[in-house]
Amino acid sequence: DQQVKQNSPSLSVQEGRISILNCDYTNSMFDYFLWYKKYPAEGPTFLISISSIKDKNEDGRFTVFLNKSAKHLSLHIVPSQPGDSAVYFCAASDGSGNTPLVFGKGTRLSVIA
Amino acid sequence: DGGITQSPKYLFRKEGQNVTLSCEQNLNHDAMYWYRQDPGQGLRLIYYSQIVNDFQKGDIAEGYSVSREKKESFPLTVTSAQKNPTAFYLCASSKYDTGNAAFFGQGTRLTVV
Repeated sequence: DQQVKQNSPSLSVQEGRISILNCDYTNSMFDYFLWYKKYPAEGPTFLISISSIKDKNEDGRFTVFLNKSAKHLSLHIVPSQPGDSAVYFCAASDGSGNTPLVFGKGTRLSVIA
Repeated sequence: DGGITQSPKYLFRKEGQNVTLSCEQNLNHDAMYWYRQDPGQGLRLIYYSQIVNDFQKGDIAEGYSVSREKKESFPLTVTSAQKNPTAFYLCASSKYDTGNAAFFGQGTRLTVV
């Protein structure tokens, strides 16, 4: 049973436009959420995170929104650039430090020039 | 430079042989993890360790073994009992703070021939 779901396997966006990647979770104990970016044959790199006490966190072109009641979060990238083309993973934890991150299956973003 | 080092980057193994993947970190992180990535499957947890000389099974531990004799090192052995070992293996580490964000190595691509 998947606790973290990324229902869109892929997404194509034109350069300069906004990319919106979505993630849903089922475990109400999760209270810390992260996004990772991954290029082929490389390890994922941490992008941005948000704790459940916030509903928005921004870092440059990247913004993560959290809707706890809907158990939904999204990553907005604006403006999208060709270098953003990668697989994006959503991850969640209970924030206790005692449990590993649970990952979604990822969404492949293609930014078209 | 602080980071996580996985070696080798590419590894070929004959069927029926055991093989050990190396993971070393100099970030002074307490916890270490092994994940496996297969196409369309996201990152699945194999084993994790929160402290030296202790480790726990993840979701797909069968056919794998680990040790944690030093804080810096968390090697993974893929045994002959693992039925489908060809995959991309990722090691990660994290410090005990809010959120438990994990930082990844560059991965090892294991191919069984």
